[in-house]
Parts: sequence; C-alpha cells; structure tokens
Amino acid sequence: QLQLQESGPGLVKPSETLSLTCTVSGGSISSSDYYWSWIRQPPGKGLEWIGSIYYSGSTYYNPSLKSRVAISVDTSKNQFSLKMTSVPAADTAVFYCARHHKSTSGNNWFDPWGQGTLVTVSS
Amino acid sequence: SYEVTQTPSESVSPGQTASITCSGDRLGDKYVGWYQQKPGRSPVLVIYQDSKRPSGIPERFSGSNSGNTATLTISGTQAMDEADYYCQAWDSSTACVVFGGGTKLTVL
Repeated sequence: QLQLQESGPGLVKPSETLSLTCTVSGGSISSSDYYWSWIRQPPGKGLEWIGSIYYSGSTYYNPSLKSRVAISVDTSKNQFSLKMTSVPAADTAVFYCARHHKSTSGNNWFDPWGQGTLVTVSS
Repeated sequence: SYEVTQTPSESVSPGQTASITCSGDRLGDKYVGWYQQKPGRSPVLVIYQDSKRPSGIPERFSGSNSGNTATLTISGTQAMDEADYYCQAWDSSTACVVFGGGTKLTVL
C-alpha cells in the first residue's frame, strides 16, 4: 500500500525559505502513471494546490505561487521536495504531499495523501 | 482564473440524503473529484472522475456533474459522515488545480 510522509522544519522565520520533503514508500515515484504534488491548508481554512512534479522533473505550479515555489524530485531516494522562498506569516499552514493522478483529458485527482505537517512562519 | 464555489455548511438528519454542491462556469465540461476531511485528519478521496468511487468508499457516496454544478450525494447519511467536503477540478486554460472552499456537513 502506497504511503507518503512529509518531513521538514516545523518553524520557519519570515522572509526565509521553507523546505519540505515527501518520502514515498510502498511504490515507485518513477511510475509513468502519476505526478506527485504539494497541497497546503492554512489553519481553519481550505485546501490550496501548490504544484505537481513528474518523475522526469516536469512540473506544474499554481500561478499564484509560481514565483516563490520550486518542486524537485530525487528518484534514487523515492522522494520529492518543496522549496518556498520569502515566506510571510500568511504561509503558515499544514502542508500535504499526495499522489496526483493526471491525464491529458483533464481528469485528475489526489490519492493517497500524506498525514500532513504543520509549518509555522514566525520569528 | 477559474473558480469553483461551495456552500459553507449543510446539515442532514441521520438516515437522510445529503447533497453537497460545487458550482463553476461550465463545470460539467471538466472532471470533478471530491474529498472528505475529518478534524485533524488528511483529506480522503471519496469520488473521482465525477462519479467513480475508489476502493473502500461506501456505496452511499455518489457523484454527478452536469451544466454548471457537480453534486456529491450521501445516501443514508451516518454520523461518521460528519466532515468537511471539498470539490476539485482542473482548469486547463491555466494548467491549475482548483479546490472549492469546502462544505462542512453536520449530521444531527
């Protein structure tokens, strides 16, 4: 059964860079059928897609975050990572990684999800 | 940018049918997924491709999508179905995933 686990610092200072890693177990990140995604949820609020990456390194980003976000993949470690630069306090959120089923027809969904990790942006 | 809208809250009596809607311009031309999220837990996919149920999701969950509205229907709603529900679609014009703001379903 595929599992995803987020890891990284729980506290980041304003204006610094947020870095998280998602480790995939029970399956290969190099599968040609899937993308791999980051999604965030501020406390008490809804879900926001950050971006997705294919094992080859091809990426899609949320246009509203694209200037501050980079997602990378390390197939040798079965991991993918998120970097978000110049974070303000408003970036405080639970960050989830998820497997992204995406087809050229526009059919796409996220399953499964990691347990999520809370990142607080504060000095 | 494309947006999808959900009613913030709905309530249903146990055993009755709950309908949660997601609205967007020509949403019926896109594929919609639905997620259930209970407090302190990660979202769980309950419907994909408008109306398909993943393995392990009870048959009481069903979905439809036509015109400008997608609907998640829960038949014979149980107390355990109390949760936040989010719809999700893909905006091909901006190559962007969009989520609805979520609907809090109360079973009382």
